[in-house]
Amino acid sequence: KNQVEQSPQSLIILEGKNCTLQCNYTVSPFSNLRWYKQDTGRGPVSLTIMTFSENTKSNGRYTATLDADTKQSSLHITASQLSDSASYICVVVTGGGNKLTFGTGTQLKVEL
Amino acid sequence: DTAVSQTPKYLVTQMGNDKSIKCEQNLGHDTMYWYKQDSKKFLKIMFSYNNKELIINETVPNRFSPKSPDKAHLNLHINSLELGDSAVYFCASSLNLFSRNTEAFFGQGTRLTVV
Repeated sequence: KNQVEQSPQSLIILEGKNCTLQCNYTVSPFSNLRWYKQDTGRGPVSLTIMTFSENTKSNGRYTATLDADTKQSSLHITASQLSDSASYICVVVTGGGNKLTFGTGTQLKVEL
Repeated sequence: DTAVSQTPKYLVTQMGNDKSIKCEQNLGHDTMYWYKQDSKKFLKIMFSYNNKELIINETVPNRFSPKSPDKAHLNLHINSLELGDSAVYFCASSLNLFSRNTEAFFGQGTRLTVV
């Protein structure tokens, strides 16, 4: 079983709607958690970095939450756009920052 | 200006061949990485170099050998290619190891197909 689980595996929503992606992790010791967006055929691009003490962080229409007690994070996308169609990857950094564990990703498709 | 650039973008080769993928970053970063993304889109770290020194070496076959001639370059050489090596390989760099608020920048990826 992967130590960083994401759900749902894939999601289709209509343009303008909101959605929330989930990430549960079991890896430790926790250093920070990152959300990346990966467009088809491109490399991942960082959306947010969250440390232990941060509960919520926003980046435009993206809002990430972190509950370090339950080891859960979510990424909320507001007023979705066609360009939000991509794979969203949750990454947990452990130890001194030299160990990354990637989630399996959520494939999001935004339709008209 | 591309921050992290990889070449080639596509590579099709026969089993048994030896091939190299090059990566360069112009961000002045100390740390560079190679990742492999399989057909299920799962990313896994292969190697990490910090100031030209190997920091992370995950369980990767000996056929894969990274080489860092200087801080700005991290090349990946693969010997005796196998069908299972087919994947997208991503190079990345960061100012230093993934401590708090250290951003990572990824290249566009190299799609390797072994036939």
